[in-house]
Amino acid sequence: DQQVKQNSPSLSVQEGRISILNCDYTNSMFDYFLWYKKYPAEGPTFLISISSIKDKNEDGRFTVFLNKSAKHLSLHIVPSQPGDSAVYFCAAYNQGGKLIFGQGTELSVKP
Amino acid sequence: DADVTQTPRNRITKTGKRIMLECSQTKGHDRMYWYRQDPGLGLRLIYYSFDVKDINKGEISDGYSVSRQAQAKFSLSLESAIPNQTALYFCATQPWDSLTQYFGPGTRLTVT
Repeated sequence: DQQVKQNSPSLSVQEGRISILNCDYTNSMFDYFLWYKKYPAEGPTFLISISSIKDKNEDGRFTVFLNKSAKHLSLHIVPSQPGDSAVYFCAAYNQGGKLIFGQGTELSVKP
Repeated sequence: DADVTQTPRNRITKTGKRIMLECSQTKGHDRMYWYRQDPGLGLRLIYYSFDVKDINKGEISDGYSVSRQAQAKFSLSLESAIPNQTALYFCATQPWDSLTQYFGPGTRLTVT
């Protein structure tokens, strides 16, 4: 039972455009969310996070939006760069304090 | 130098063999985790430890065991490897006062 879902396995975007990666979760008690980026042959690296008391968090080109009523979060990358090409995982903390990951979305930014 | 290191980076082993994956960290974090990644499934928690004397099972602990030898070292063992344990294995650390986990580079394990 996938509690955190990333329904798009892949996304292709032109350099300079916006990339929007989506994530849905099933449990309304999840209260903290993170996005990780993973390059091939490397471990995931932390990108940005958001608490459930907020609906937006911004860090440079990266913004995460949280819609609690829809149990949906999204990561916006503006403008997208070729170096952003990677697999992006969203993750949520459950009530037991465990981090639950989505399946990942592979982003390809084309020059 | 990397803050979280994993050895080996790649390993091929045969069914039934015992294998140990090692994780070391220089971050000084108390909390350490082992995850596995399978295609289409994301990362799933195997075991975690909040300090040297604390070991807890995660979502998929069957067939695995761990040892927390020191604050900086957390090892994962497969007592008798089977082919469906073929996966990418990641170690992660976390400071007690943050919700961010920091991952090692991973070990690619193949069980034939």
